[in-house]
Amino acid sequence: KNEVEQSPQNLTAQEGEFITINCSYSVGISALHWLQQHPGGGIVSLFMLSSGKKKHGRLIATINIQEKHSSLHITASHPRDSAVYICAGLSYNTDKLIFGTGTRLQVFP
Amino acid sequence: NAGVTQTPKFRVLKTGQSMTLLCAQDMNHEYMYWYRQDPGMGLRLIHYSVGEGTTAKGEVPDGYNVSRLKKQNFLLGLESAAPSQTSVYFCASSDVYNEQFFGPGTRLTVL
Repeated sequence: KNEVEQSPQNLTAQEGEFITINCSYSVGISALHWLQQHPGGGIVSLFMLSSGKKKHGRLIATINIQEKHSSLHITASHPRDSAVYICAGLSYNTDKLIFGTGTRLQVFP
Repeated sequence: NAGVTQTPKFRVLKTGQSMTLLCAQDMNHEYMYWYRQDPGMGLRLIHYSVGEGTTAKGEVPDGYNVSRLKKQNFLLGLESAAPSQTSVYFCASSDVYNEQFFGPGTRLTVL
């Protein structure tokens, strides 16, 4: 069992839909990162959070420390949101990021 | 600012050949990292550095060496490439405990 697990692995949506990607972790972490990787490979950091909720444009990230769970929401999805979304926990023990395997999102017009 | 840059972007090697991947950052970050990304797996840490002149092993260090002679550069070396090292390699940098900034990646194929 991976220490950081994401669901679903693949997700398709119609433009305008509300999207949720989930991340659960089984290790102690001091922060959780959400990353975006577009086709062609570049990885961009979207959020880093250790509690509560953060919002940037149409993206919202939440974390529940007690339940060891985080969600990434995309409101009013658009085809340009099509990408792989990766969550990663910053391990308490090692201070290193532990990555999930990613969620591939495709948004169709 | 260029951020984090990697050279080369693509490379094909034959088994047993050697090569060096260069990562450069212009954000004055202390921490730098080398990851590999393989299909169906999360990014895995190869080696990292917490400052100029320092290096440390990550999760999958075997077959790789690194050097951080200058703060802005982090080199990843493959002394004798193997097909198992076919992967996409990402470099990243960060301040302590802050978000990591990633380079564009290097796609390496070992035949």
